Amino acid sequence: GAVVSQHPSRVICKSGTSVKIECRSLDFQATTMFWYRQFPKQSLMLMATSNEGSKATYEQGVEKDKFLINHASLTLSTLTVTSAHPEDSSFYICSARSASGPTDTQYFGPGTRLTVL
Amino acid sequence: DQQVKQNSPSLSVQEGRISILNCDYTNSMFDYFLWYKKYPAEGPTFLISISSIKDKNEDGRFTVFLNKSAKHLSLHIVPSQPGDSAVYFCAASVSGTASKLTFGTGTRLQVTL
Repeated sequence: GAVVSQHPSRVICKSGTSVKIECRSLDFQATTMFWYRQFPKQSLMLMATSNEGSKATYEQGVEKDKFLINHASLTLSTLTVTSAHPEDSSFYICSARSASGPTDTQYFGPGTRLTVL
Repeated sequence: DQQVKQNSPSLSVQEGRISILNCDYTNSMFDYFLWYKKYPAEGPTFLISISSIKDKNEDGRFTVFLNKSAKHLSLHIVPSQPGDSAVYFCAASVSGTASKLTFGTGTRLQVTL
């Protein structure tokens, strides 16, 4: 149980284009989903918290107009990197908190490697 | 300001022996702690957690110890297996804050034959 998927697993795009990453909870309903990014050899940095049906809460320093988050259902959240630039290249990971499980345990997706040329 | 610290970036342990991974935190509001295991280019996998009302939680080969007065927790893996080789992250949260996790910088564990 508690499986989270991400799509795509890897994406390469040109500078200036937008990229959408999907995060799905496959076998549970997620009231809250989280988006992280990880730079090489560094820790996971929380970007934003997404609650189903409401606006995402962004961490300090994260541009909400650049990283658009939509949590349309209890099993799907999307992150859109708009007008991507090479400095946005990173490993993006989502996680989901089950509506019925341990409230403070997050289950992570496999991540998406974004490379902006 | 790194609120959760893993001061050992790497650790090498022989197969069959005990692996001890350490984690320190500075925020006294943290009351829930988790350990995650991560392979390269994959998302973290939840291993074990502990609430601040306990000082020990055990699950199979994995045991987490919490010392609140020292703001320190540790993960013990015994016996260590080659498949345990990965990066281990500790994370902490404050109840009632929508489960926002603060991660440490990770410790790379290498279990040798």
